[in-house]
Amino acid sequence: DAMVIQNPRYQVTQFGKPVTLSCSQTLNHNVMYWYQQKSSQAPKLLFHYYDKDFNNEADTPDNFQSRRPNTSFCFLDIRSPGLGDAAMYLCATSRASLGHEQFFGPGTRLTVL
Amino acid sequence: AQSVAQPEDQVNVAEGNPLTVKCTYSVSGNPYLFWYVQYPNRGLQFLLKYITGDNLVKGSYGFEAEFNKSQTSFHLKKPSALVSDSALYFCAVRAVSSGTYKYIFGTGTRLKVLA
Repeated sequence: DAMVIQNPRYQVTQFGKPVTLSCSQTLNHNVMYWYQQKSSQAPKLLFHYYDKDFNNEADTPDNFQSRRPNTSFCFLDIRSPGLGDAAMYLCATSRASLGHEQFFGPGTRLTVL
Repeated sequence: AQSVAQPEDQVNVAEGNPLTVKCTYSVSGNPYLFWYVQYPNRGLQFLLKYITGDNLVKGSYGFEAEFNKSQTSFHLKKPSALVSDSALYFCAVRAVSSGTYKYIFGTGTRLKVLA
């Protein structure tokens, strides 16, 4: 089945130690998104890629970076995680046009010690 | 500003009773509206969407939603609730911002269906 896969499902890191979360998709969707979700709050968009075009949200901290080496893969890099970065990180994809819904991965829960 | 509001943090309903989860929106232009459900420790799962056409849209698991342009609402409904419907529900609108598309989510409504 076509899907969005996130690895790992659970990630523990130490304060200040860089961490990379990965997302892959078999849907061949143009657009990939990274969201941060805390404590059952609304997902907060960090950035998204429209094909290779990177779109950063204005309030996304510089500590968060992303890479999309090809259509299928997208990575979220947190350069120096702080305690406040502990959250669920959700990857999603969609087709480019307005009417299409997003498909979400299961998420990676990040713990910062 | 473009926004989505879910006025209820939590909705409780008895199993077998009809349920409604409310959503109102504010967007420029035509709204593209979505409902998603989230179970614990999982990603969001698409339920249904309104793009154009019939104001009543039907989706997964027996859910439906009614688009009301004059009230700028898109309430989620189900005629008979199940205990397994207990989850977190998000309303979202897809909007154009700075020349790109993105989704704006409501704050979520926790639905509890009581046996």
